Formats: sequence, C-alpha cells, structure tokens
Amino acid sequence: AQTVTQSQPEMSVQEAETVTLSCTYDTSESDYYLFWYKQPPSRQMILVIRQEAYKQQNATENRFSVNFQKAAKSFSLKISDSQLGDAAMYFCAYMSYNQGGKLIFGQGTELSVKP
Amino acid sequence: GAVVSQHPSRVICKSGTSVKIECRSLDFQATTMFWYRQFPKQSLMLMATSNEGSKATYEQGVEKDKFLINHASLTLSTLTVTSAHPEDSSFYICSAKTSGGFTDTQYFGPGTRLTVL
Repeated sequence: AQTVTQSQPEMSVQEAETVTLSCTYDTSESDYYLFWYKQPPSRQMILVIRQEAYKQQNATENRFSVNFQKAAKSFSLKISDSQLGDAAMYFCAYMSYNQGGKLIFGQGTELSVKP
Repeated sequence: GAVVSQHPSRVICKSGTSVKIECRSLDFQATTMFWYRQFPKQSLMLMATSNEGSKATYEQGVEKDKFLINHASLTLSTLTVTSAHPEDSSFYICSAKTSGGFTDTQYFGPGTRLTVL
C-alpha cells in the first residue's frame, strides 16, 4: 500500500521569504500523480499544484513550485515571496493511475506566515 | 468552473437520529465522488468512493450500514449518517472527479461540520 509522509507538523516563514515543505511517499508503482493541496481556516481544500510522475520537469504555478525526485520518492513544495494569505494547512497527496482516483494524503504541515 | 457544493454546512443533531449531507457538482458531471472525514488538526481520511449508478466502495473499517452513500445522478451524491452518536461528530468533506479535462483532479466541497449531542 502507498503511504505519504509529511515530517514537518508546523512551519513558519517571514512574509516575502521562501519556505519549503517536505513530503516523501512510498510506492512500488511507476506511474502516478502527486498533488499539494492547501486548506485555509475556511477548511476549503484548494489544489495548489500537480505533478505527473512520468514528467521529469518540475511543476510550477506562479509562486509555487515543486522539487520532484522520483528515485528518492520526494515531492517538496517551495513557496516563494510568501504572503499572509499563504497561511494554511498544506497536504501532500498521492494518486495511483489505477485505483479509481483515490487520494492518499499526508498528515499535513501547518504553515504560518509572519508579517 | 469545477465547483462542488455541500449542504448543509453545519448540522447539529441529537444522538440516535439520522443526518443527510448532500454533495453537488455545479458545473460539471462527476463520474466519481469521494467522501472524507477529517478530525481537528488531522488529515483527510477517505471513507468511500461512489460512482454514479453503482454501489459505493467503502474503505476498510468504515461501516457501510452506518454511513449510507447514494450517487443517484452525475451531479449529486448523498451521505447519510444513520443513528448518529457523539463519536460521529466530525468534519465531512466530499470531492468530485470529472471524466473530462484533468481526469486526475478532484474538486472539493466546502465541508459539513456535524455535531451530535
């Protein structure tokens, strides 16, 4: 069975600075998707970024980028120019190609942004 | 686009009663919907997967007779918590997956907070 691990329960960053959230996963599959979701205090889950495992190029969405290391099974999220609105719980998630779209979530990292 | 709604957003009920939560995809057809449970400061735990017109597939440890799921149309899935007890109090979140566009992407509803007294 696949597992996702986020080893940082809490992180803090100064506004305008850069922060990296860690995520590792375990799988025997070669094809899969990886995601980062943001859950602000409203508790609405928001997709931040997605990565297809067969793509070597790291995904980027504006200030958000990932460092995808397939061999190491690592999928970290970098947030540049952090803003107060980035404060939220961040979840890393894994999706297999052939399990009907089920998402397996990590434990989450609570990010606080200091003004 | 890709908006998912849930109703109600909050519900308080007495122990022993049943509660129904609706999940709707507003601007797309959801071939698959998922139901999650989330305790405070914890991650999302998948409860079940439902495909339109089929019986739901429950995750191990989830009581299918207690958490009834119906996916009667491509835009609506319902979760009924039967004979609710205080330990069922939690935040319930649904998500929906389309067969078009990014077929791997799930779109989440805003969640329903259930409190059982």
